[in-house]
Amino acid sequence: NAGVTQTPKFQVLKTGQSMTLQCAQDMNHEYMSWYRQDPGMGLRLIHYSVGAGITDQGEVPNGYNVSRSTTEDFPLRLLSAAPSQTSVYFCASSPGLIEKLFFGSGTQLSVL
Amino acid sequence: GQQLNQSPQSMFIQEGEDVSMNCTSSSIFNTWLWYKQEPGEGPVLLIALYKAGELTSNGRLTAQFGITRKDSFLNISASIPSDVGIYFCAGQLGNTGNQFYFGTGTSLTVIP
Repeated sequence: NAGVTQTPKFQVLKTGQSMTLQCAQDMNHEYMSWYRQDPGMGLRLIHYSVGAGITDQGEVPNGYNVSRSTTEDFPLRLLSAAPSQTSVYFCASSPGLIEKLFFGSGTQLSVL
Repeated sequence: GQQLNQSPQSMFIQEGEDVSMNCTSSSIFNTWLWYKQEPGEGPVLLIALYKAGELTSNGRLTAQFGITRKDSFLNISASIPSDVGIYFCAGQLGNTGNQFYFGTGTSLTVIP
């Protein structure tokens, strides 16, 4: 099993550009989530999904959109990138609500 | 969001020494997780704790779920160079689904 796969690994955007960070998992996990990691701070939850067709906001959702059309995929969209969104983004999945998280290897995003 | 205070922030130790780090919160958590992150990679789960007072080992690593449910501890015995990395605690409040709150990390350097 590949686990949780994130693409791209690195991305540079200009302010105002849009892009989608991809996340796929092959473990048949119902729960998927997106976190951002900033220097000196713990990972913070952006959005999460408890199953296909269901999404909800986390701690820092502003500026990001998500959708969950299949169990396997959970893309994160930046509609108009801002420098404050420069960060490392991690996708995670778990088998259920009260279960340990499995992380992808991250996407390093720079917004100029 | 919830604040998890993780200490120490960084540690420089000699190979063979034991390591202790802890995570405290003002809130009561139902689950504590400990992760290790290496450069350019996502966090990897080390130990999961589900009950107050629980003591769980994974090789040379031992973690405890504090009796008050507001803290957790991680010990590494007989450190080796491959223990280098950043260690994160994560806690889950029982009433917020799968949202885990992460500590700011402890950076561990092992000097051969």
